[in-house]
Amino acid sequence: SQQGEEDPQALSIQEGENATMNCSYKTSINNLQWYRQNSGRGLVHLILIRSNEREKHSGRLRVTLDTSKKSSSLLITASRAADTASYFCATGSGSARQLTFGSGTQLTVLP
Amino acid sequence: DTGVSQDPRHKITKRGQNVTFRCDPISEHNRLYWYRQTLGQGPEFLTYFQNEAQLEKSRLLSDRFSAERPKGSFSTLEIQRTEQGDSAMYLCASSLRAEWTGELFFGEGSRLTVL
Repeated sequence: SQQGEEDPQALSIQEGENATMNCSYKTSINNLQWYRQNSGRGLVHLILIRSNEREKHSGRLRVTLDTSKKSSSLLITASRAADTASYFCATGSGSARQLTFGSGTQLTVLP
Repeated sequence: DTGVSQDPRHKITKRGQNVTFRCDPISEHNRLYWYRQTLGQGPEFLTYFQNEAQLEKSRLLSDRFSAERPKGSFSTLEIQRTEQGDSAMYLCASSLRAEWTGELFFGEGSRLTVL
């Protein structure tokens, strides 16, 4: 079963614009991670935010976490055509020994 | 390259045949995971190993599926008597972090098509 739900399912923007994706989850978590997947390829880890953190930055990525609302957002600033991919949130919960992934947001950045 | 490698990358088989996928994790990683991903969906957990011990299996892993990691290094995932519903991308990932749900390093996946 999928714990997280990403919103929107698909997003299309122009190069240079910012892209924001949201993730909602159901149970309490230890951490939340974002992964990227190019078409037909494996997933690549982008960033991890712990449950006691509210915001984290990595290059052009900014992640926020609101545990009271059980939600997270991923912001990609100044997007590039190469950012075109699917983006997944994944949650790690205390007793679980694996990550649970959402259904993903398909981002298309038009040149 | 010292990343996670999976073989084969693509497999087409007829319904009822057996298939086996292999995963070679990053060498120092003691945890290895198998996930399944169907089109338009996120990865779904199948099973994971710590060293050679298989510590958890999902309910998705029917008795037609078996996974091994005999020496705590590479792993195999075998599907017996394949069905069309088994068509999916099978992803392997490895991890070294002390916490259970740290960053995962994924391979490129093995895509299975059952005709």
